[in-house]
Amino acid sequence: NAGVTQTPKFRVLKTGQSMTLLCAQDMNHEYMYWYRQDPGMGLRLIHYSVGEGTTAKGEVPDGYNVSRLKKQNFLLGLESAAPSQTSVYFCASRASAHYGYTFGSGTRLTVV
Amino acid sequence: DQQVKQNSPSLSVQEGRISILNCDYTNSMFDYFLWYKKYPAEGPTFLISISSIKDKNEDGRFTVFLNKSAKHLSLHIVPSQPGDSAVYFCAASVFVNTDKLIFGTGTRLQVFP
Repeated sequence: NAGVTQTPKFRVLKTGQSMTLLCAQDMNHEYMYWYRQDPGMGLRLIHYSVGEGTTAKGEVPDGYNVSRLKKQNFLLGLESAAPSQTSVYFCASRASAHYGYTFGSGTRLTVV
Repeated sequence: DQQVKQNSPSLSVQEGRISILNCDYTNSMFDYFLWYKKYPAEGPTFLISISSIKDKNEDGRFTVFLNKSAKHLSLHIVPSQPGDSAVYFCAASVFVNTDKLIFGTGTRLQVFP
């Protein structure tokens, strides 16, 4: 039972480059989320999805795009990376609104 | 505007003693609260939750207390163990809009022998 899997685990990007972070869950969860964690800022919601084909903006959506073409996958894209996007990114999923989240182990992204 | 606040960035407690982690919130619409625990290089894991219809919820060594009038919740760990050393996040959601959680900034707990 893999749970929530994030790829890659580490990445270094140059300013202006693009990349996609993949989140996959095998629990048939409806809800999926992307958070970023920064020192002193806690976990801040970037984008989320309440079902296949749906996406919505969270607290800090600027500079990111997402897609949920398949129920099990939630992709986070950076079209033109900036140093301010250096962070640890966590994906999470849950079965419904009244259950706790299951988190992935994170992706550490550095933009130089 | 930080809706969920953890004002103590760190806490150090001796093994066997009680650890008390605090969390304050500003949005009176929040009515479901959770605590998550995070070890380095891992994702947060769910620890315990409480609904606003209760003022206490207990699970083994972990107890969460909710004071709605003060918009304050706390997590008590008794007795504290070295394996409890981690970062603890509180989180909150609005029942009618429970599609996302708002997290606090976290408190790093260190339990020393």
